[in-house]
Amino acid sequence: QSVLTQPPSVSAAPGQKVTISCSGSSSNIGKNYVSWYQQFPGTGPKLLIYENNERPSGIPDRFSGSKSGTSATLGITGLQTGDEADYYCGTWDSSLSAWVFGGGTKLTVL
Amino acid sequence: EVQLLESGGGLVQPGRSLRLSCAASGFTFGSYTMSWVRQAPGKGLEWVSHINTSGDNTYYVDSVKGRFTISRDNSKNTLYLRMNSLRAEDTAVYYCAKKKGDAFETWGQGTMVSVSS
Repeated sequence: QSVLTQPPSVSAAPGQKVTISCSGSSSNIGKNYVSWYQQFPGTGPKLLIYENNERPSGIPDRFSGSKSGTSATLGITGLQTGDEADYYCGTWDSSLSAWVFGGGTKLTVL
Repeated sequence: EVQLLESGGGLVQPGRSLRLSCAASGFTFGSYTMSWVRQAPGKGLEWVSHINTSGDNTYYVDSVKGRFTISRDNSKNTLYLRMNSLRAEDTAVYYCAKKKGDAFETWGQGTMVSVSS
């Protein structure tokens, strides 16, 4: 059971928009920055969003992040088949003194 | 180009030990906190440990405390994870990651550790 809760899967058609939620608590998301990661099968994760809503260089602006209270959201617009991957949220938990991840969300572009 | 290359994984019996290494290049290794994150087969990401720039401050997930030790050699640009008393539940791909601020900025390709008799 992950400390952060994500939906196991989401799906949408090419060109559409999808959001992935990440729910936590006052000791993690409520207090610290959230980051998001994209992972394709057999490869290491890739940073998509840091500090709740900042994109590293090279990440297209189709990817966005937001945070409100103890929840965070990853948004992806203009969906492409190449976006099919697993997506994870993560943050520091100040009570656990540990980094925590969501269980991951599998994105399917129909 | 920033690169992280893990090595040292393999098949090991329960109760035995293993040491993972992560060779870093393309950045000033000694200026960044480094981490290990693992992923059991078919499962999600689990943070294992991280170490500060000088190596004198470390954190671990509860399930590995007392068994795993993270360390670094800044002169060799290398991160280590010594894993003792290995259990079946430690079976996973272990990733080395470079932390920047409050995020894992760069990840390696991972090394597989299988614990089985």
